[in-house]
Amino acid sequence: EDQVTQSPEALRLQEGESSSLNCSYTVSGLRGLFWYRQDPGKGPEFLFTLYSAGEEKEKERLKATLTKKESFLHITAPKPEDSATYLCAVHRHSGYSTLTFGKGTMLLVSP
Amino acid sequence: DAGITQSPRHKVTETGTPVTLRCHQTENHRYMYWYRQDPGHGLRLIHYSYGVKDTDKGEVSDGYSVSRSKTEDFLLTLESATSSQTSVYFCATTGDTNTGELFFGEGSRLTVL
Repeated sequence: EDQVTQSPEALRLQEGESSSLNCSYTVSGLRGLFWYRQDPGKGPEFLFTLYSAGEEKEKERLKATLTKKESFLHITAPKPEDSATYLCAVHRHSGYSTLTFGKGTMLLVSP
Repeated sequence: DAGITQSPRHKVTETGTPVTLRCHQTENHRYMYWYRQDPGHGLRLIHYSYGVKDTDKGEVSDGYSVSRSKTEDFLLTLESATSSQTSVYFCATTGDTNTGELFFGEGSRLTVL
């Protein structure tokens, strides 16, 4: 059974204080690891896909990295508008499969 | 923007009543999904569709059924709503391929009293 564990559950940062969110996963044959951002009252919004260990993707202040067991979402010099819940999900190589999501990390960035 | 519209956005109903949530898309997407999101559980797949009249179960399909008689509409039905089905329901699409890049609607908040 695929498993995705995100930590911490919640994170409070001051504006400009860099940090990282963790996503640990167990999957039989990783097809892709995905990061989403979700604002309150909205549907999740796709951020990144990572396919193999060592891969990195960047978007503005966010950088996602991948190893064989976990992924990190690094947030550099965050701003209040980065406040959101960040979701991690894995997609397995096995015929037709769908995503398994983690429970998310709620990030709050204070001015 | 994947052109997904969900209705209703909010609904309060009573235990035992049938409820249908509608997902409408304007982009002719082949793959569509229904998820529910609950505190402490994250997003869980209920049902998905890979074409007109082609649907399959997800991990939490008990108590739910779906129909897709037209490409643009994917309906989720709770035949007899229970309090455990109080949740936020999201419709999503991956377009015409089975990738993990989901594009979500705005969600439908359902409360079952």
